[in-house]
Amino acid sequence: AQTVTQSQPEMSVQEAETVTLSCTYDTSENNYYLFWYKQPPSRQMILVIRQEAYKQQNATENRFSVNFQKAAKSFSLKISDSQLGDTAMYFCAFMKLLINSGGSNYKLTFGKGTLLTVNP
Amino acid sequence: EAQVTQNPRYLITVTGKKLTVTCSQNMNHEYMSWYRQDPGLGLRQIYYSMNVEVTDKGDVPEGYKVSRKEKRNFPLILESPSPNQTSLYFCASSLSGTNSYEQYFGPGTRLTVT
Repeated sequence: AQTVTQSQPEMSVQEAETVTLSCTYDTSENNYYLFWYKQPPSRQMILVIRQEAYKQQNATENRFSVNFQKAAKSFSLKISDSQLGDTAMYFCAFMKLLINSGGSNYKLTFGKGTLLTVNP
Repeated sequence: EAQVTQNPRYLITVTGKKLTVTCSQNMNHEYMSWYRQDPGLGLRQIYYSMNVEVTDKGDVPEGYKVSRKEKRNFPLILESPSPNQTSLYFCASSLSGTNSYEQYFGPGTRLTVT
């Protein structure tokens, strides 16, 4: 079974600075997908960024970028120019397409989360 | 607006009283899934459905039932709720047969069982 580890339960950063959240995962698969989700105090789960394992190029979305190290099974999230609205719980998630009796399962395996606080 | 809706958003109930949490999506997604979120555990999958009348268990299905009679709806049923089912529940949906596998989440349902 796949596992996802986020070793930083909490982090803080000053507004406008850069912060990196860590994520490692364990899998024997070669083809899979990795995601970072943001959960603000509203509890809504918001997709921040996505990385396909077959792509060597790191994904970027505006101020958010990842450092994907497939051999090391590492998938860190970098937030540049941090804003107060970035304060949230961040979850790293792994997905491998599973085929079983119920059809295809796009199950996300989540880490336990990192609570990020952006200070003014 | 493309979205996943859940009702109710908050529910306090007593042990043993049957309840249903509804989930509906308007994006014509084939795949739908339920997760529960507990402190320190992240989100864990309860059940999923690949299409109408096709459902299967996730990692923590005990105490839950689901049905998929229509493509847009995927209700979660607790026949006899217990306090250990107090949690935050999320419904999610996704297109199948694409390479993005992006899942759209509902706003969550906070359930308390006393």
